[in-house]
Formats: sequence, C-alpha cells, structure tokens
Amino acid sequence: KAGVTQTPRYLIKTRGQQVTLSCSPISGHRSVSWYQQTPGQGLQFLFEYFSETQRNKGNFPGRFSGRQFSNSRSEMNVSTLELGDSALYLCASSYSLVWEGGNEQFFGPGTRLTVL
Amino acid sequence: EDKVVQSPLSLVVHEGDTVTLNCSYEVTNFRSLLWYKQEKKAPTFLFMLTSSGIEKKSGRLSSILDKKELFSILNITATQTGDSAVYLCAVEARAGGTSYGKLTFGQGTILTVHP
Repeated sequence: KAGVTQTPRYLIKTRGQQVTLSCSPISGHRSVSWYQQTPGQGLQFLFEYFSETQRNKGNFPGRFSGRQFSNSRSEMNVSTLELGDSALYLCASSYSLVWEGGNEQFFGPGTRLTVL
Repeated sequence: EDKVVQSPLSLVVHEGDTVTLNCSYEVTNFRSLLWYKQEKKAPTFLFMLTSSGIEKKSGRLSSILDKKELFSILNITATQTGDSAVYLCAVEARAGGTSYGKLTFGQGTILTVHP
C-alpha cells in the first residue's frame, strides 16, 4: 500500500506571497490532518478534514486554510507569508474510525517551506 | 488544554545500552497514546496504546501505558546506531468537537547512540 505523499518537498517563497501544499492520503483513509513543525514549537496541529469537511482547527491565524477533495486528497494554503511561517509542514492520514480504540495517524514526508 | 511532557530531552548512549524514554500527559477524555520515531524526515509510527492495549512490544522496542498515573515509557534494549532519532510521544482525545484528528505532541527526546 502506498504511503502518504506530499508535494512539493521543498519550497522557497518571499514574504507576502502565498503557497499551496498538497497531500495524498493512504488509500482508504478519509481523514487528513495537517501539522506545522518548527524547532521552537515542535509539532502543532493546524486542522483536520474528513469527507471534504473541516472538523477541527488549531490555534493558527486565518491566513492558514485548507480543503479536501472527494478523493480525500487535501491541500493547505498559507497567504501573506511571514518569516515565521518557515517550517516543515506535515500531513497525516487515518481511517478515523468511530470505535473505542484509537486511530493511528501515518505521516507523509513533509514540505519544507522557507520564507525569505 | 491537553499537555504532553517528555523526558529526558536528550540522551547519549553507546551501542548495546538499554534506554527508557518517558512521557507524561494531561488530556481530557483520553483515547490513545502514540509513539513515533523521527529521523530527518516524517515521523514513523511505532506504537499505539489504549485502554484495551496498555503494553506493546516489537523486537527491541516495548512500551507500556499507566492510565492511572498518566504516563508511558518507551524502552529500547540493545541499542544500535540506527536507533538514533527523535522519539515523539503524542496523545489523542476522544473524538468530538476540538479533538477530531488532533494529536498533541511532546517536545521529543533526542536519542544519540554512539558505536
């Protein structure tokens, strides 16, 4: 089974620009979560999509947005980039089953965004 | 707000040593605790521990969950240089509202294994 894929792997942008990152989940997974990883803050939750609906959102400004398509692929967008947005952006997919057990999340390789 | 604290933050050992990594947590409506290994790429899933599965083992790695004391440990025996990585602990709350799809991560433990 193919893993989670993310494109592009590396991106360099300047302040004020916008960027769109893409994530394709593991086949059959309907939930996609996005995280930002920085040396100072670690891994922080951005938002989660399930069946094309955003079910949860972390504490990030409105410049961070996303969407999910009918094939479960997801995109996230960051507008008006700031220097502090430089980070590794990870997406993770899971089945998100409604049962008593937990749901493993499997991560993609990430997109390394550098804002100059 | 959910909170995960890992210790130690870094650890240096020699091949063959046994290490114990700690993770304590505070979460409303606990559902699961997950361990990941991160080298210079994406976190790789190791274990998930829940109320119905409080001990897991895979090869030289094992983990236990203490739901009463709210902590978990990850043990690695007979360490190898390939075990060098950042080990991340994360918790998941029961689905609903602000919990959907959200893992709360600790700061990670940087493990360095010297030959």
